[in-house]
Amino acid sequence: GQQVMQIPQYQHVQEGEDFTTYCNSSTTLSNIQWYKQRPGGHPVFLIQLVKSGEVKKQKRLTFQFGEAKKNSSLHITATQTTDVGTYFCAGQVGSSGSARQLTFGSGTQLTVLP
Amino acid sequence: EAQVTQNPRYLITVTGKKLTVTCSQNMNHEYMSWYRQDPGLGLRQIYYSMNVEVTDKGDVPEGYKVSRKEKRNFPLILESPSPNQTSLYFCASNLRLGINNEQFFGPGTRLTVL
Repeated sequence: GQQVMQIPQYQHVQEGEDFTTYCNSSTTLSNIQWYKQRPGGHPVFLIQLVKSGEVKKQKRLTFQFGEAKKNSSLHITATQTTDVGTYFCAGQVGSSGSARQLTFGSGTQLTVLP
Repeated sequence: EAQVTQNPRYLITVTGKKLTVTCSQNMNHEYMSWYRQDPGLGLRQIYYSMNVEVTDKGDVPEGYKVSRKEKRNFPLILESPSPNQTSLYFCASNLRLGINNEQFFGPGTRLTVL
């Protein structure tokens, strides 16, 4: 079945440093989403990428979708303590009408040291 | 307030004692799903439902049942829980997978099976 690999599993950074997490899918995706889960909380939707090579920004967060639509990355510039949490990607295979499932990556747990 | 609710939030039970975790959403979403979250494994989909009376297996359905008799409710049933079902469970809903893919997650249910 479809697999979505995410690395690294853990990342510790000093406040102010940058952070990047990567996702790779075994199959071509129709779209990919990113979620953030704060400690003790539930996943919260951040963004969805649909187009090949798409780049989207949300303040200090930059999301990219690869040209082949099989990989994606989330980059945080100048991390803050509020960025602490686990970041998940979730890939979907199949377009509208045929979509059935999202497959989540295993997540990257980010710790920001003050 | 638009939300997904789950009950109970915490449950400790014993092997073999049937239990149900309820999930309800008030957003008139068609798509609902159940995930379990285990350390290092991310979110794995148990079952999903595209609409009323339409359910299908996710990646890890063994030992679970679901039903979708009404659009707003999607209970997860463990007929004979075992210790390997100790996990954090999330219910999620989405307007219609393939159209708008933002998943709204419930607060989670932490289940311990002794």
